[in-house]
Amino acid sequence: AQKITQTQPGMFVQEKEAVTLDCTYDTSDPSYGLFWYKQPSSGEMIFLIYQGSYDQQNATEGRYSLNFQKARKSANLVISASQLGDSAMYFCVGIQGAQKLVFGQGTRLTINP
Amino acid sequence: KAGVTQTPRYLIKTRGQQVTLSCSPISGHRSVSWYQQTPGQGLQFLFEYFSETQRNKGNFPGRFSGRQFSNSRSEMNVSTLELGDSALYLCASSLAIGGQFYGYTFGSGTRLTVV
Repeated sequence: AQKITQTQPGMFVQEKEAVTLDCTYDTSDPSYGLFWYKQPSSGEMIFLIYQGSYDQQNATEGRYSLNFQKARKSANLVISASQLGDSAMYFCVGIQGAQKLVFGQGTRLTINP
Repeated sequence: KAGVTQTPRYLIKTRGQQVTLSCSPISGHRSVSWYQQTPGQGLQFLFEYFSETQRNKGNFPGRFSGRQFSNSRSEMNVSTLELGDSALYLCASSLAIGGQFYGYTFGSGTRLTVV
């Protein structure tokens, strides 16, 4: 079974700074995928970025990039030039088979003006 | 295109009652999965349906059940509600073709409060 670990319960960052949210995963499957989702206070899960285990390059989506290090089993999310609207819970999520998502504990990110 | 629609958004029920939550996936998506989110346990997988068949089930008691209709809409039912069932229930729809999947889209969730 896959396990996702986020060790930062909360982070506080100044606006416009870059921030890195940590995620480590543990799986025995050679084929897997990792997501990052953002959950604002409204509750909806918003997709940010996806990395497949066989992808040759680190995924990027606008201000979001994923620092994927297979040997370390880490998939850290990097947000460049943070904005006040980035304040939310962030979840690292693994996919098990094609049917089940496994969530980390989440990191609450607060952007200070 | 329309997103994933969950109804109702908020619900207050009494212990012992039952409740039915609805999820309408994105048009063309045939897989619907359900998750429970609580402050103590985080996000936990409930079950997943594809073409009206339950393919995977999480570690929840039999009071939690679901189904999927031919139009891919899904419902989940919780019988004999307990205080601990108070949670945000999220559903997600996904598109998978030939074993290759194309991401998960979540609804806004149903916040259930059991009193």
